[in-house]
Amino acid sequence: SQTIHQWPATLVQPVGSPLSLECTVEGTSNPNLYWYRQAAGRGLQLLFYSVGIGQISSEVPQNLSASRPQDRQFILSSKKLLLSDSGFYLCAWSTGRQLQPQHFGDGTRLSIL
Amino acid sequence: DQQVKQNSPSLSVQEGRISILNCDYTNSMFDYFLWYKKYPAEGPTFLISISSIKDKNEDGRFTVFLNKSAKHLSLHIVPSQPGDSAVYFCAASARETSGSRLTFGEGTQLTVNP
Repeated sequence: SQTIHQWPATLVQPVGSPLSLECTVEGTSNPNLYWYRQAAGRGLQLLFYSVGIGQISSEVPQNLSASRPQDRQFILSSKKLLLSDSGFYLCAWSTGRQLQPQHFGDGTRLSIL
Repeated sequence: DQQVKQNSPSLSVQEGRISILNCDYTNSMFDYFLWYKKYPAEGPTFLISISSIKDKNEDGRFTVFLNKSAKHLSLHIVPSQPGDSAVYFCAASARETSGSRLTFGEGTQLTVNP
């Protein structure tokens, strides 16, 4: 069966520090991969998605970037964190086929001080 | 532009009764609709979905209804249980959308009281 792993579960970082969140998927090949952010009391905002290695699409302009160095690895990064980057970050995967759901990891709670 | 809307931020229901969660959408290109359940500090869990060629899909206690003319879908939970207390998100996608992206509503907090 397929599983998705995200780490760390929680992270406290100072303003201006770099960020690297990692997500890996097991049990499937060539998945679509996604990064979302959920601000407090809000819905899920899609940040990036990838349909293959090295292919990254950005949904909103921001202080973050994403990379997909391997088929089942998706990384969310920032060179200098802002206070507004605080939130709950979620990674998800799907098969990429039509009418298939996305499946989410357990998320990373990022607090910027 | 909020293409998927959940107008009720919260819903409280008695155990054993029916819970009805509602969702409206504006994009007529949406053809696949999903419901997710989310507990605090966890990722959303996929519950049930429906494609636009159907108007009802049932899975155990969960049934999703789709009214395309009204651009409205609903999730029925019968009977409701205290463990159903969570935030429920509806989501939608369009066949032609690159990357099979989903658009999410802002969620409804369901509380099932014992």
